[in-house]
Amino acid sequence: GAGVSQSPSNKVTEKGKDVELRCDPISGHTALYWYRQRLGQGLEFLIYFQGNSAPDKSGLPSDRFSAERTGESVSTLTIQRTQQEDSAVYLCASSLAPQRGGYNEQFFGPGTRLTVL
Amino acid sequence: AQKITQTQPGMFVQEKEAVTLDCTYDTSDPSYGLFWYKQPSSGEMIFLIYQGSYDQQNATEGRYSLNFQKARKSANLVISASQLGDSAMYFCAMRGGSEKLVFGKGTKLTVNP
Repeated sequence: GAGVSQSPSNKVTEKGKDVELRCDPISGHTALYWYRQRLGQGLEFLIYFQGNSAPDKSGLPSDRFSAERTGESVSTLTIQRTQQEDSAVYLCASSLAPQRGGYNEQFFGPGTRLTVL
Repeated sequence: AQKITQTQPGMFVQEKEAVTLDCTYDTSDPSYGLFWYKQPSSGEMIFLIYQGSYDQQNATEGRYSLNFQKARKSANLVISASQLGDSAMYFCAMRGGSEKLVFGKGTKLTVNP
């Protein structure tokens, strides 16, 4: 079946512009995550959606960052007034609903490489 | 707060030999999970292995095994019989009281022929 897809694969923008990144999770996955990976670094958690619960926004670095999810499907990550330090790969992941005492593998998309000039 | 430390920026191993990638963690959560992911140069994140904090035995998945030492808060990845295709970045991650994963900075593994 189809995996997690993200678009665009690459985005080059000018400082100060707004950008929207899209994530299509695996069908049936109620949990969706956004992470950021700066060059040569590990992944940093940004935001987590689970069903109709309030999202965990604890990783968003500033109020320029926001994300939405429509039901249990597509999510968009929006970065307003982009800065050069926003340049990174933005990865989306999805999983089945969390289970108590266990784990559900997070399946990652290919990422969107954002370059802010 | 949770923290993952990977102290080896780069590792080299000869093909067919075993290699250990180090990972130490810090958390105050009594229940947590530890993960290893592989990231080839193409950029995708590939799940390798999982260890739960209450699991009695070390996890194994094919050529991958996790050397879990709870008292030392370490979760080292052992790759046996290295292959050229194992060359990649390897990330250790943990999940504690929430569903988000906290990642280390990674180790770049190079397998030499």
